[in-house]
Amino acid sequence: NAGVTQTPKFQVLKTGQSMTLQCAQDMNHNSMYWYRQDPGMGLRLIYYSASEGTTDKGEVPNGYNVSRLNKREFSLRLESAAPSQTSVYFCASGGRSYNSPLHFGNGTRLTVT
Amino acid sequence: KQEVTQIPAALSVPEGENLVLNCSFTDSAIYNLQWFRQDPGKGLTSLLLIQSSQREQTSGRLNASLDKSSGRSTLYIAASQPGDSATYLCAVRRGSYNTDKLIFGTGTRLQVFP
Repeated sequence: NAGVTQTPKFQVLKTGQSMTLQCAQDMNHNSMYWYRQDPGMGLRLIYYSASEGTTDKGEVPNGYNVSRLNKREFSLRLESAAPSQTSVYFCASGGRSYNSPLHFGNGTRLTVT
Repeated sequence: KQEVTQIPAALSVPEGENLVLNCSFTDSAIYNLQWFRQDPGKGLTSLLLIQSSQREQTSGRLNASLDKSSGRSTLYIAASQPGDSATYLCAVRRGSYNTDKLIFGTGTRLQVFP
């Protein structure tokens, strides 16, 4: 069972460069999420998608864009990377019910120099 | 604004001890509370989910309780093992139309030594 798959695992960018983080899930989940994790800050929600074709801002959306390409895939784009975006990024998915547990990918460690 | 706090931030115990991790939240209007485990360099694995109408959930050596009125949850680990060493995070789920999300605590880093 693949679950939630994120690519790449590691990435180093220079300030101003752009990149897209990819996420795919094979559990037929409706909801998908992007979080960032920083030391001492916990996990913070960047964007989420309650269903195919919809996206909504989370707690820290500035500097990011997302695309829910289809039910399986949810990508996160950094148009012009900044050092403040150095973080570990996690994608997660969950079923339709609010009481469905979330499933997380293994993360993308991004460094912006 | 919902805030989630976990105490202690770090804990080191000898193998075999029973231990309790604490999670507190400021707004009792939640759908559920989840406990996760995170190993170094890995994603989060869901351990237990307690719905707002439930008082506790059990899975093997893990037992999680929820007291919504006081804004507290505990994760009890019985007979701890070195393999339990990880960071444990709690998260509360609070959502209304188009604001569905989890709010995470900053975690308790647990080390169980032989």
